[in-house]
Amino acid sequence: EIVLTQSPGTLSLSPGERATLSCRASQSVSSSYLAWYQQKPGQAPRLLIYGASSRATGIPDRFSGSGSGTDFTLTISRLEPEDFAVYYCQQYGSSPFFGGGTKVEIK
Amino acid sequence: EVQLVESGGVVVQPGGSLRLSCAASGFTFDDYTMHWVRQAPGKGLEWVSLISWDGGSTYYADSVKGRFTISRDNSKNSLYLQMNSLRTEDTALYYCAKDGFGGLRMDVWGQGTTVTVSS
Repeated sequence: EIVLTQSPGTLSLSPGERATLSCRASQSVSSSYLAWYQQKPGQAPRLLIYGASSRATGIPDRFSGSGSGTDFTLTISRLEPEDFAVYYCQQYGSSPFFGGGTKVEIK
Repeated sequence: EVQLVESGGVVVQPGGSLRLSCAASGFTFDDYTMHWVRQAPGKGLEWVSLISWDGGSTYYADSVKGRFTISRDNSKNSLYLQMNSLRTEDTALYYCAKDGFGGLRMDVWGQGTTVTVSS
């Protein structure tokens, strides 16, 4: 089983700042299998990024994904008020696995 | 509009059984792999199970293997999760989710149904 570790656990930033979230895999993951989700309180998760770097339908271009192998990154170029949420990475194999999440909170 | 609506969540005693349902609409249901994902109170997301478009392939997380069974009825555009031998640690909000076109991500999620296992 491939385990994903996200860091930091919590990121305290102000609107307009850049957010950089990390997702590290316990073994190499094909970029095609790496996705990112956003979850706000009381809501279902929403797909942001798939294939490590492709934005899902309707996702603003301030969200970008990058990385390969065991290290992947989600970047939010300029935080908007609606971006404060919890973000999860996921590897999609025959046994999909989610990372533990990074909470982006208002500083 | 693409939509997934879960139902069936209740309070059940440890050792009990429950069947969750997920009604799909707005897309060709039998074209897609479907998933169950759960979230314990205050915790992160945990993938539970997936089923291929035709029901021919199923996979389970180790934590539920042998106790839960995923199934689908394409004639009814419905996904199911039969949950047996329930434990307190199965308490969670259960989401159904649809695979994206070409697979490898979950692009549509329901709002979830709550299962509480407690005596």
